Amino acid sequence: AQKVTQAQTEISVVEKEDVTLDCVYETRDTTYYLFWYKQPPSGELVFLIRRNSFDEQNEISGRYSWNFQKSTSSFNFTITASQVVDSAVYFCALKMEGGKLIFGQGTELSVKP
Amino acid sequence: EAGVTQFPSHSVIEKGQTVTLRCDPISGHDNLYWYRRVMGKEIKFLLHFVKESKQDESGMPNNRFLAERTGGTYSTLKVQPAELEDSGVYFCASSKGGGGQPQHFGDGTRLSIL
Repeated sequence: AQKVTQAQTEISVVEKEDVTLDCVYETRDTTYYLFWYKQPPSGELVFLIRRNSFDEQNEISGRYSWNFQKSTSSFNFTITASQVVDSAVYFCALKMEGGKLIFGQGTELSVKP
Repeated sequence: EAGVTQFPSHSVIEKGQTVTLRCDPISGHDNLYWYRRVMGKEIKFLLHFVKESKQDESGMPNNRFLAERTGGTYSTLKVQPAELEDSGVYFCASSKGGGGQPQHFGDGTRLSIL
């Protein structure tokens, strides 16, 4: 069975703190893709990043970085020097060749000034 | 390039009534997906179109839900008759291809059944 677990339901930090959002996935497929989406208060889901199962290279984009480790089936997301605008619900998702996304429960991040 | 557009943004109806949600995907995207998030739970897949064909409808909860994509362009999702447990946010997404292509989401339709 395929499953995504985001154990942190809510996280609250103060601006400029670093924060890591955890994502653990389960799948028996050898080919799969992992995604992170951001849902700001306005409601839309914004695509942030995609990794495929054959590429474990970590990625950095500005203040955002992602750590993909197949050995622990994890795809964690770190925001460095958080800002109030980072406040949102963040979803991790798993996708197999069939096409549908399997989402985690989401982590609500609140960044206070 | 216009993103995925969903109409209406909000809908409030009474139990037993019918509601139709519409999704306009990004132009040129053959793949169209419907998802919903109920009561703050995780976002769950409903179905997947490739052009006008239903590729996967394993997530449709029951036969009160009917999705169509005539002509392979926009899609509609009809709920008839609506029940209280259908309340939630319905998201539409589209992608250019399959595989690892990212799905781009609309703003969602918030459906409230009274």
